[in-house]
Amino acid sequence: QVQLQQSGAELAKPGSSVKISCKASGYTFTSYYISWIKQTTGQGLEYIGYINTGSGGTNYNEKFKGKATLTVDKSSSTAFMQLSSLTPDDSAVYYCARSRGFAYWGQGTLVTVSS
Amino acid sequence: DIQMTQSPSVLSASVGDRVTLNCKASQNINKYLNWYQQKLGEAPKLLIYNTNNLQTGIPSRFSGSGSGTDYTLTISSLQPEDVATYFCFQHNSWPTFGSGTKLEIK
Repeated sequence: QVQLQQSGAELAKPGSSVKISCKASGYTFTSYYISWIKQTTGQGLEYIGYINTGSGGTNYNEKFKGKATLTVDKSSSTAFMQLSSLTPDDSAVYYCARSRGFAYWGQGTLVTVSS
Repeated sequence: DIQMTQSPSVLSASVGDRVTLNCKASQNINKYLNWYQQKLGEAPKLLIYNTNNLQTGIPSRFSGSGSGTDYTLTISSLQPEDVATYFCFQHNSWPTFGSGTKLEIK
């Protein structure tokens, strides 16, 4: 069955970076893009962008350009999102989801930014 | 970006009630509208895709309808386990989410 397994919770200091992973299984990894979504209590759900898992091409929400960097490792069927120059506003749960249909989501990764 | 407006923001209903949740897009989204259920501490779970297609494993009391800019999720007979927040999501163009309807039991 299709599964997206995300890495564990992160506690990071302001100004630092974190890299979240999303390991796919149960399907051909390069047949579907991977999208990333941010969820906060205040802003709700925001679409960050997606990565073409075959070519590595990316497309970002303007709001997240310079903040999020999406990459992929085809050999391990894993997508990554790096968040840089972290501020408390980056504290959120981040999800990966398989694009085209958006039926399958990871379990979420909680990122907490605090000094 | 397309704005998605959900109503009501909070809905309180009794077990067995027929419940309707609404989602309005700021422009035509050509039925590329999904509904998700999210329970506390869990990831969103797909209920309905592309307006009216029931995801595998989802109870048949859930149904969706709509076209153009206006979409509806209906629960035909509310069950206690349906307490959750429900989100609509359009993927006709750059994806955007509604702000959610919190469903409570009276």
